[in-house]
Amino acid sequence: EAQVTQNPRYLITVTGKKLTVTCSQNMNHEYMSWYRQDPGLGLRQIYYSMNVEVTDKGDVPEGYKVSRKEKRNFPLILESPSPNQTSLYFCASSLPRPGAIYSPLHFGNGTRLTVT
Amino acid sequence: DQQVKQNSPSLSVQEGRISILNCDYTNSMFDYFLWYKKYPAEGPTFLISISSIKDKNEDGRFTVFLNKSAKHLSLHIVPSQPGDSAVYFCAASEGAGGTSYGKLTFGQGTILTVHP
Repeated sequence: EAQVTQNPRYLITVTGKKLTVTCSQNMNHEYMSWYRQDPGLGLRQIYYSMNVEVTDKGDVPEGYKVSRKEKRNFPLILESPSPNQTSLYFCASSLPRPGAIYSPLHFGNGTRLTVT
Repeated sequence: DQQVKQNSPSLSVQEGRISILNCDYTNSMFDYFLWYKKYPAEGPTFLISISSIKDKNEDGRFTVFLNKSAKHLSLHIVPSQPGDSAVYFCAASEGAGGTSYGKLTFGQGTILTVHP
């Protein structure tokens, strides 16, 4: 089954404790991206990757890191989490251009992160 | 600076009637527009898209209209069904010539409730 898998689904942590949210896709997609969803703000893009070893900042990259060492995986790293990073996070993937009609974004089911 | 705006946080309609969800954008470089639907505890799923060279795209009960001069798009659902109750996000992307190629910008979302 074609899917984007995020882990964990729920995570509670404390300020400053480094964490990684994993994302893996089995569709051989080149494009991958991370979003956070907050009430009243919709989905905001954190980082995206057009291909292996190619990453770029989205609209809200501060406090996050990503890496794309292989095509299927795109982990999101919070080196020193803070309470304002409490959010619902989504990973997504698609063929090269996320807006094209032949390549809609496929989303994972989300990771609910709470930083206390 | 919110480049894609959905000014109605919620919409309530009766089953069988038309649902009209609206979206405005400010970036004239956007050339592709998409609608996503999101159920609770799931990731968003692609619904329908439209290129800037068109002003209308239909897929079954769903039609998206694009008014480039007004920088406005709308999603029409006819007839509405209770299963359509979800959060709807519009999103936009720039073409290959844009400085933000690869970014997909979402609106805040509109909660649609269809009453039986």
